[in-house]
Amino acid sequence: AQSVTQPDIHITVSEGASLELRCNYSYGATPYLFWYVQSPGQGLQLLLKYFSGDTLVQGIKGFEAEFKRSQSSFNLRKPSVHWSDAAEYFCAVAPRWDNAGNMLTFGGGTRLMVKP
Amino acid sequence: DAGVTQSPTHLIKTRGQQVTLRCSPKSGHDTVSWYQQALGQGPQFIFQYYEEEERQRGNFPDRFSGHQFPNYSSELNVNALLLGDSALYLCASTPSSGEEKLFFGSGTQLSVL
Repeated sequence: AQSVTQPDIHITVSEGASLELRCNYSYGATPYLFWYVQSPGQGLQLLLKYFSGDTLVQGIKGFEAEFKRSQSSFNLRKPSVHWSDAAEYFCAVAPRWDNAGNMLTFGGGTRLMVKP
Repeated sequence: DAGVTQSPTHLIKTRGQQVTLRCSPKSGHDTVSWYQQALGQGPQFIFQYYEEEERQRGNFPDRFSGHQFPNYSSELNVNALLLGDSALYLCASTPSSGEEKLFFGSGTQLSVL
C-alpha cells in the first residue's frame, strides 16, 4: 500500500521569503502526485499535479513542484510567499487514474504560517 | 456553474445515533468520493461511487455505507456513531473521463457527543 510522509508539521516563513514543503511517498511504481491547499473551514483546492513528463510542474498561485524519482519526493516550492498563502498544505498520491478508480492517499499536512 | 455542494454544513449527534450526509457533484461529474478528515490529520479515503455502484473502498467499517443516485448525487450514512467519528467529511467529484483531478466540497463538520 502506498503512503505519504510530510515531515514538517508546522513551518513559519516571513512574507517575501522562499518556501519549500517536503513530501516523500512510498510506492512501487511512479504514482500520480498532487498538492492540495486547505484554508480554515474550506475544502481542498488543487495546486498542481504530476502524472508524467517534465519533472518540474507549475501550478496555480505561483507554486511549483519537482518530482525526483531517485528520492521518492515531490517537494512544493514558491519563490516569494504572500500572507494569503498561510494555510494547510497536503501532498497526495494515487496509484492509478482510470475507470477502476482514483483513490487518493494524503499525507498528514504541513501548516504554513506567514510572518509579516 | 456550481462546484461540489455538501449538506448540512455542521451536524451534532450523540453516540449510537445514525447520520446521513449529502453531496451534489460538480456539473458534468459522474464519480463521487468521500473522505474523512479528523482534526489535525490528512483526509482518509472512505469509498468511491460510479454508476451507482461502490467502486473502491478504504479501510472503514461496515457502519459506513453510501449510495449514489441516477443524477450522480451521493449520500454517506454512518450507523452506530462513535465519538471517534467526529470529523470533517469531504465529498469530491471527478468526471469518469477527461479532467484528472478531484474537486472537493467544503465538507460537513460532524460532532459526536
